Formats: sequence, structure tokens, C-alpha cells
Amino acid sequence: GAVVSQHPSWVICKSGTSVKIECRSLDFQATTMFWYRQFPKQSLMLMATSNEGSKATYEQGVEKDKFLINHASLTLSTLTVTSAHPEDSSFYICSAMIPASGRPSSYEQYFGPGTRLTVT
Amino acid sequence: AQKVTQAQTEISVVEKEDVTLDCVYETRDTTYYLFWYKQPPSGELVFLIRRNSFDEQNEISGRYSWNFQKSTSSFNFTITASQVVDSAVYFCALSELETSGSRLTFGEGTQLTVNP
Repeated sequence: GAVVSQHPSWVICKSGTSVKIECRSLDFQATTMFWYRQFPKQSLMLMATSNEGSKATYEQGVEKDKFLINHASLTLSTLTVTSAHPEDSSFYICSAMIPASGRPSSYEQYFGPGTRLTVT
Repeated sequence: AQKVTQAQTEISVVEKEDVTLDCVYETRDTTYYLFWYKQPPSGELVFLIRRNSFDEQNEISGRYSWNFQKSTSSFNFTITASQVVDSAVYFCALSELETSGSRLTFGEGTQLTVNP
């Protein structure tokens, strides 16, 4: 099946610094990728939809200037947490979307393994 | 707006017991997909099943089975003869094709603990 990777798998940074997380589709091209955030013992919450070659669409309540998303190619989307603070510590998960074979207007989502961010 | 409810926050069973995880959803779309994912302690989401709104056939895959009932807007998941390795958080999710593309809305998850 399709593989999505994330890098780094975990990162610790100091408050006020910026952190970049990469999401790559390894064996397919994805025009659309999604970024989710998951706090401990909570569900996944969609942060933004990343479309190749255009601006990301952010969910209500997500600061676009704080969480910068760049989808420069069909296999790579990046999420940069700018001026990170301890409350940004979370598990960030990306997913990539590709059309489902044989099913018009249907898509499959493949999830990356996640990146655990700790801001001290 | 779409919504997914997993009323069971935590379930604890003894190995070999059967267990059913409940999922109730809300949507205005006539075309939608329902999913179940497993999230072990490592954090990586494991895809279990996808079901579209036009297919109400129940499905069985090994020890796993799913019961889709449109009349009650439910998509319940049963593990037969549970094993310790089944311990994980299980998420039910909904994707509305007409109103929100393929964006997924997740339920709150059910923490399943299978004790030896």
C-alpha cells in the first residue's frame, strides 16, 4: 500500500524557536495532504488542508501565521510551527490523499507515523 | 455539520472475550464514508475498514466485524475472542464527500484494554 513518512518522528525545542515537520508521500503523488494535531488522550483534530501549488486551507481557530504550511511538490508538504510555546506540544500527524482505484470521486487517505513535538 | 460520537471512553476486557465498540454519526450528506482506525501506543494510525453510505452489508475480517445500520446512524465494531495485542485506542471517522470533500472527522476514540 501507499506509504507516507514524517520527519522528524520526535523533536524537542525551546520556547520561541521554530520547528519544521516534513510529510512525504513515498511512492505516489498527492495533490492534497492534511495536517492533524492530537493532544494526549484526545482525538485527532484537523488543522489544515494542504494543496499542492496553492495556499493551505485552515480550520477555524487554527492560526495560519503560527502554523505555516507549504506544499511545494506533489510528494512533500511541510508544517512549520513558528515561535513555539509549551502549549504547542502535541502529536502532529499528516495524511496524503490519492484517488481510490476504480471508484470515481472516491479517495483514500494514508497517514504518516506522526511527529511528537515537545516545547520546553 | 458532521459529527462522530464514540460514547465509550474506555473498555476493559479479559482475553478471549468479545467486545463491541460503538460509533454513532451525524451527517446531512447522502454520500459519505465511515472508517475505523486503530492507534496503538506507538501512535501510528492503522487503517481497519472503510464503508460507503450505499453499502450496508456487514463485513467480517478474521476476528473483526462491522455492523453498519443507516437507520440508527451507527457503525459498530466487534472484536471476537480479543487478544492482548488488540489493546489500543480505536477511532471511528466520517468523511462527507458532498460538503467537505475527503476531510475526516474523528470520534473521541475508545481506549480498549485487553487483560491476560
